[in-house]
Amino acid sequence: ETGVTQTPRHLVMGMTNKKSLKCEQHLGHNAMYWYKQSAKKPLELMFVYNFKEQTENNSVPSRFSPECPNSSHLFLHLHTLQPEDSALYLCASSQDRARVSYNEQFFGPGTRLTVL
Amino acid sequence: AQSVTQPDIHITVSEGASLELRCNYSYGATPYLFWYVQSPGQGLQLLLKYFSGDTLVQGIKGFEAEFKRSQSSFNLRKPSVHWSDAAEYFCAVVPMNFGNEKLTFGTGTRLTIIP
Repeated sequence: ETGVTQTPRHLVMGMTNKKSLKCEQHLGHNAMYWYKQSAKKPLELMFVYNFKEQTENNSVPSRFSPECPNSSHLFLHLHTLQPEDSALYLCASSQDRARVSYNEQFFGPGTRLTVL
Repeated sequence: AQSVTQPDIHITVSEGASLELRCNYSYGATPYLFWYVQSPGQGLQLLLKYFSGDTLVQGIKGFEAEFKRSQSSFNLRKPSVHWSDAAEYFCAVVPMNFGNEKLTFGTGTRLTIIP
């Protein structure tokens, strides 16, 4: 595997389910990101991890819980979601969090989440 | 308010025709500027970026973009499109505040190519 991979690619869940999204990067990067991509809206940055430490939480509801056990893996734990949470969730990585302008972000293909 | 705008939601062009996708920004100082492409079922890929210097920037896949300060624009162009260029294109900015930099994306332009 190369680049940034995400599993599963598609997920359908009920509002009472608990599920997790997984992201893995094979680029030796130290920063990882979760984005939410909803139809007709700009990509929204959700969380940022730099060297396994969470550095940003952009007012994301607590029903989304990220976890970064090491620099190569990032999880997004989902619990008691709402239908409006249905979206494409993208993971990205970069060399580190400093100077986003110089550190290109590499994106995974995303997980298409549908909440019923 | 600071923002990045892509006025065209959907553009259709014929294969072999030229292409221009528009991007405008509203920031106090010129931000760093980027164009990303998202092919169906794939993540975003960086096409090109502008920091300073030559206002015409060359990118991958035959794309180029021109920064025009007077118009606060960073339009993406390609002289002759190929069917494989069908995708969604996102303009993004990073404000030059040297603090906690964050990529801010436009809403995207979906490009359809007709034979």
